[in-house]
Amino acid sequence: NAGVMQNPRHLVRRRGQEARLRCSPMKGHSHVYWYRQLPEEGLKFMVYLQKENIIDESGMPKERFSAEFPKEGPSILRIQQVVRGDSAAYFCASSPHRGAGVEAFFGQGTRLTVV
Amino acid sequence: DQQVKQNSPSLSVQEGRISILNCDYTNSMFDYFLWYKKYPAEGPTFLISISSIKDKNEDGRFTVFLNKSAKHLSLHIVPSQPGDSAVYFCAVQGAQKLVFGQGTRLTINP
Repeated sequence: NAGVMQNPRHLVRRRGQEARLRCSPMKGHSHVYWYRQLPEEGLKFMVYLQKENIIDESGMPKERFSAEFPKEGPSILRIQQVVRGDSAAYFCASSPHRGAGVEAFFGQGTRLTVV
Repeated sequence: DQQVKQNSPSLSVQEGRISILNCDYTNSMFDYFLWYKKYPAEGPTFLISISSIKDKNEDGRFTVFLNKSAKHLSLHIVPSQPGDSAVYFCAVQGAQKLVFGQGTRLTINP
């Protein structure tokens, strides 16, 4: 899974600041997924994107959170006005195409701490 | 609404013995099932998968069993090794995304 690059690995933000998490998918992959893992919990789906399109954002909180995957450059997960409850590990995964049996490859995650 | 459940948060197994991790799902429309392994401070790594048309898939020490009528899958690791100590997530694939269980922390004791 070293092919999916996430940065930064660790991010500390004060309450009210903005957090930007970046994800570069594996070469040749045009599908990106964002997951959040709260302490002692499983991986919760947030959003699924293809290049320039949001396909499924059913797991995204209604406010403060947004995601994009532009034609050029990495996918960005943006959290505005962060609160302590946003502290979590955020994982990005990519796959070459959609369909049954297509495994997603994960990055190492960004650990967001809100102080 | 938990679509995928791993009811055992932790499991401890003696080295060399069999480890059995279990997972239940609610939606019979899921068509592909996967297991991921996760070490601390790392991302999940794909381990093994099975499609809904099969009931067993084997890869070395790892075997996944699928019981569609019971909506249950399990991962068998035999023999268990210390390096297998990790958190294991089962995941089901629907139309658009992978849905994960809460994970089971497996500890292999020497």
